[in-house]
Amino acid sequence: QKEVEQNSGPLSVPEGAIASLNCTYSDRGSQSFFWYRQYSGKSPELIMFIYSNGDKEDGRFTAQLNKASQYVSLLIRDSQPSDSATYLCAVVPSGGYNKLIFGAGTRLAVHP
Amino acid sequence: ETGVTQSPTHLIKTRGQQVTLRCSSQSGHNTVSWYQQALGQGPQFIFQYYREEENGRGNFPPRFSGLQFPNYSSELNVNALELDDSALYLCASSPDRQGYGYTFGSGTRLTVV
Repeated sequence: QKEVEQNSGPLSVPEGAIASLNCTYSDRGSQSFFWYRQYSGKSPELIMFIYSNGDKEDGRFTAQLNKASQYVSLLIRDSQPSDSATYLCAVVPSGGYNKLIFGAGTRLAVHP
Repeated sequence: ETGVTQSPTHLIKTRGQQVTLRCSSQSGHNTVSWYQQALGQGPQFIFQYYREEENGRGNFPPRFSGLQFPNYSSELNVNALELDDSALYLCASSPDRQGYGYTFGSGTRLTVV
């Protein structure tokens, strides 16, 4: 079992729709969760982080965390073609305050 | 405030050679972490340096080594290059040892032929 799992996609959504990206993790003691966006050929850029169960909203982005189910998601409202990228979920494992464990990423394609 | 800068941007090396990649951390950040991202994969943690000391290492062989300097800039050295070392190498800086607020550099694309 991989430590952080994501559906590789591509996830295709029409412009203006809600894109829902999901991630599961195996380390129940993980405390910190991050979503990065990576455009092709570029480095990852941090979109959001979440530490507590529930929802956290930032503009068009909402991160959702459910520690009991070991599940974290990212919702993108009013998706735009410029949101087309690979979205990486990352977790700080228990006792591993010094590193991030990344999933392989989900490729999102927003079509006009 | 300057961000994280990496050099060189691209590099082609021959199998068996050695390579040094460089990273200047963001102003005020004392922690540098290095990641390797193979094509189609997420970044994998190589190691982290905090105030010039190695502060954790991922599952990489000893031929991957690093340094951090008093100004918190860092180097990643890879000896005896193998074809599988071809990847995007990312440097990330943060204001402390915890994995919060990572700022990634633009990366170095290494191709081993």
